Amino acid sequence: NAGVTQTPKFRVLKTGQSMTLLCAQDMNHEYMYWYRQDPGMGLRLIHYSVGEGTTAKGEVPDGYNVSRLKKQNFLLGLESAAPSQTSVYFCASSPLSNTGELFFGEGSRLTVL
Amino acid sequence: GENVEQHPSTLSVQEGDSAVIKCTYSDSASNYFPWYKQELGKRPQLIIDIRSNVGEKKDQRIAVTLNKTAKHFSLHITETQPEDSAVYFCAAGGGAGNMLTFGGGTRLMVKP
Repeated sequence: NAGVTQTPKFRVLKTGQSMTLLCAQDMNHEYMYWYRQDPGMGLRLIHYSVGEGTTAKGEVPDGYNVSRLKKQNFLLGLESAAPSQTSVYFCASSPLSNTGELFFGEGSRLTVL
Repeated sequence: GENVEQHPSTLSVQEGDSAVIKCTYSDSASNYFPWYKQELGKRPQLIIDIRSNVGEKKDQRIAVTLNKTAKHFSLHITETQPEDSAVYFCAAGGGAGNMLTFGGGTRLMVKP
């Protein structure tokens, strides 16, 4: 049981390049989330999904797009990367039973030069 | 939307002392208040949580209190140990989609 897996773990991009972060969970969770973590700012919600085929904007959605074509996968895309998107990105999932607990992936460190 | 403030941003204590971290939130509809611990380079992990129908919850050396009227909640760690050193995040939310808003984090350092 791998839990929540993110790929890649590290990536360096040049300004203007595009990339996709993949999140996969094997716990059959309904809810999935993408957060970014910056020093002193905690975890800020980028986008989230309450089920397969659905997505919604979080607190800081600009510059990002997401897709949830399969229940177990949640993709985060950067169409034209900017230095302000240098951050650590965490994916998380949560069951429909709404126990509340988020299960996080290991994080993906993205640097945009 | 929800806004969560967390204080202090850093906290240094001697081993064996107690540590208290405080959070305030803005949305009275929030009904779930978890605390996460994040060790250096690792993912955040849930250590304790409390729901709005409970005022206090304890788990060994860790306790959380909630004051819904004042919209604040606190984490208490007693008999701190070096392995308690980490960044702690509070969060508030719950409801549809189980959306959580996190505080800015507290770096706790426990000196041996």
